[in-house]
Amino acid sequence: AQSVTQLDSQVPVFEEAPVELRCNYSSSVSVYLFWYVQYPNQGLQLLLKYLSGSTLVKGINGFEAEFNKSQTSFHLRKPSVHISDTAEYFCAVSDVRAGRRALTFGSGTRLQVQP
Amino acid sequence: GAGVSQTPSNKVTEKGKYVELRCDPISGHTALYWYRQSLGQGPEFLIYFQGTGAADDSGLPNDRFFAVRPEGSVSTLKIQRTERGDSAVYLCASKPSGSGDTQYFGPGTRLTVL
Repeated sequence: AQSVTQLDSQVPVFEEAPVELRCNYSSSVSVYLFWYVQYPNQGLQLLLKYLSGSTLVKGINGFEAEFNKSQTSFHLRKPSVHISDTAEYFCAVSDVRAGRRALTFGSGTRLQVQP
Repeated sequence: GAGVSQTPSNKVTEKGKYVELRCDPISGHTALYWYRQSLGQGPEFLIYFQGTGAADDSGLPNDRFFAVRPEGSVSTLKIQRTERGDSAVYLCASKPSGSGDTQYFGPGTRLTVL
């Protein structure tokens, strides 16, 4: 079984400031890792993913995340946020083994960018 | 190209009624997933189709929930005898083979059971 913990339910930040959204996971098997963003009244959009290789992953809209296997973390970062980054962010994992590969999501972090 | 579409976008029904929610995946995507997102929570897995067959339905909460994908494209999630606790946003996602596990999500159907 897998689980994902997003430690912060809400993160307020001022425009142009840096931000980090935390994600920790628990799994008995190797996993793929994802960050999705959900804007109001829209579906989930993939920001970035880690499958293998370099532990620093760059995604869309200037976001990046670093996979830390020893700490079982996959924190999301952006050096300078914009008002338009205000949204709900979800961390997710899936089992690397062939099979259903359904995603297990965290409960989400609401990023609120203030002017 | 067109993304995943879901209809209706909103559905209000009364307790005890039957509802059907439809998902049109991206053309050519072989895998299709249904998730349920309750207020303030992340999506939770319901069922996964590979082609026409349900490869994993372990997330369906009980036997009131059923889903089909008869021709390997469009899928319908069916809920019998709806309960107030079924109120949620139902999300559909599709994935082509060999995409590195990237699932593409639709906008969801918001179901409200009165």
